[in-house]
Amino acid sequence: GQQVMQIPQYQHVQEGEDFTTYCNSSTTLSNIQWYKQRPGGHPVFLIQLVKSGEVKKQKRLTFQFGEAKKNSSLHITATQTTDVGTYFCAGPRSSGDKLTFGTGTRLAVRP
Amino acid sequence: DGGITQSPKYLFRKEGQNVTLSCEQNLNHDAMYWYRQDPGQGLRLIYYSQIVNDFQKGDIAEGYSVSREKKESFPLTVTSAQKNPTAFYLCASSTSGTSGYEQYFGPGTRLTVT
Repeated sequence: GQQVMQIPQYQHVQEGEDFTTYCNSSTTLSNIQWYKQRPGGHPVFLIQLVKSGEVKKQKRLTFQFGEAKKNSSLHITATQTTDVGTYFCAGPRSSGDKLTFGTGTRLAVRP
Repeated sequence: DGGITQSPKYLFRKEGQNVTLSCEQNLNHDAMYWYRQDPGQGLRLIYYSQIVNDFQKGDIAEGYSVSREKKESFPLTVTSAQKNPTAFYLCASSTSGTSGYEQYFGPGTRLTVT
């Protein structure tokens, strides 16, 4: 079945450093979504990318969808302690009626 | 205030007991989902429903049951047949059952079975 992997599993950065998480799907995706889950909290939708090669920015966060629509990345510039949490990507299954969530990348930030 | 509510936040049960987790949404969403999350892990789909009175098994449905009698409600029962029920359970909803729509998550229920 479809697999969505994320790397790294965990990253610990100094506040102010940049951070990137990569998402790779075993199948071509029609779109990709990104979610953030704070420690002890629930996932919250961040953004959806639809077009091949699409790049979207939200303040310090930059999201990219690969040309082949099989991979995506989330880059955070100058991390802050508020960025702490686990970032998940999610892609639709071939049936189109549900999502497959990635394995997640947990970000820790040293103040 | 629109959103998804799950209750209770923490739930403790003895092994061998069935337990029902509540999920209610007032977003007028058609689709609802139940996920299980284990410590340090991703989200695994238990059951989902695209419309009232209809639901489908997800990837790990064994030992669980659901109902969808009302659009707003999608309760999950963890039965005694579930071998490892201790986990964080998340309910979500989306406008439509097609995957182009974002999912809204409830605050979750942490179930501990001893």
